[in-house]
Amino acid sequence: DAKTTQPNSMESNEEEPVHLPCNHSTISGTDYIHWYRQLPSQGPEYVIHGLTSNVNNRMASLAIAEDRKSSTLILHRATLRDAAVYYCILTSSVRNTPLVFGKGTRLSVIA
Amino acid sequence: DTAVSQTPKYLVTQMGNDKSIKCEQNLGHDTMYWYKQDSKKFLKIMFSYNNKELIINETVPNRFSPKSPDKAHLNLHINSLELGDSAVYFCASSQYSGGLGDEQFFGPGTRLTVL
Repeated sequence: DAKTTQPNSMESNEEEPVHLPCNHSTISGTDYIHWYRQLPSQGPEYVIHGLTSNVNNRMASLAIAEDRKSSTLILHRATLRDAAVYYCILTSSVRNTPLVFGKGTRLSVIA
Repeated sequence: DTAVSQTPKYLVTQMGNDKSIKCEQNLGHDTMYWYKQDSKKFLKIMFSYNNKELIINETVPNRFSPKSPDKAHLNLHINSLELGDSAVYFCASSQYSGGLGDEQFFGPGTRLTVL
């Protein structure tokens, strides 16, 4: 499985943008980049995914490097409710492949 | 309405007992999963079912037996519980069987404590 590397933890002030990086230098041409997050005492929650182009949705934006070896999840205005562990996961385009969670990045948001 | 629900939320039991955790999804998805999150917070896939058929079994002891009576339900039965089974178990579902950017929806988790 292609692996991802994320910082263990990051900190942000409330109302400020947050850029969560992820390195995936061994990504294959057909791997999708997924982001999930896990709020305290809850199940993981889908955030966003992309293949090659940058993506935006109501929760976040995903910026994908041109060579696809890294990506950045962008929270435009962090709130206290965004404090969570954020997981960057590569998924194969082949069916029947499960999500493989790494350690993720623990994001703390300071009021 | 809860998309993926699990019961019970908490389960405390003695070593050697047999217990079940139930999972239901009302999203009309074809695929369901069980994940285990241990005390170090690592989240690992255990099983995946697509239309009631097992498609992934990730080296889980055979004391764990998933059962899917229909595609909306995937229950997890655990025999002869051991201390190391203590963890949070998450059920999830997706429209397809993974890949192709498929989004998974997770339940709230069941915290199992084996004494």
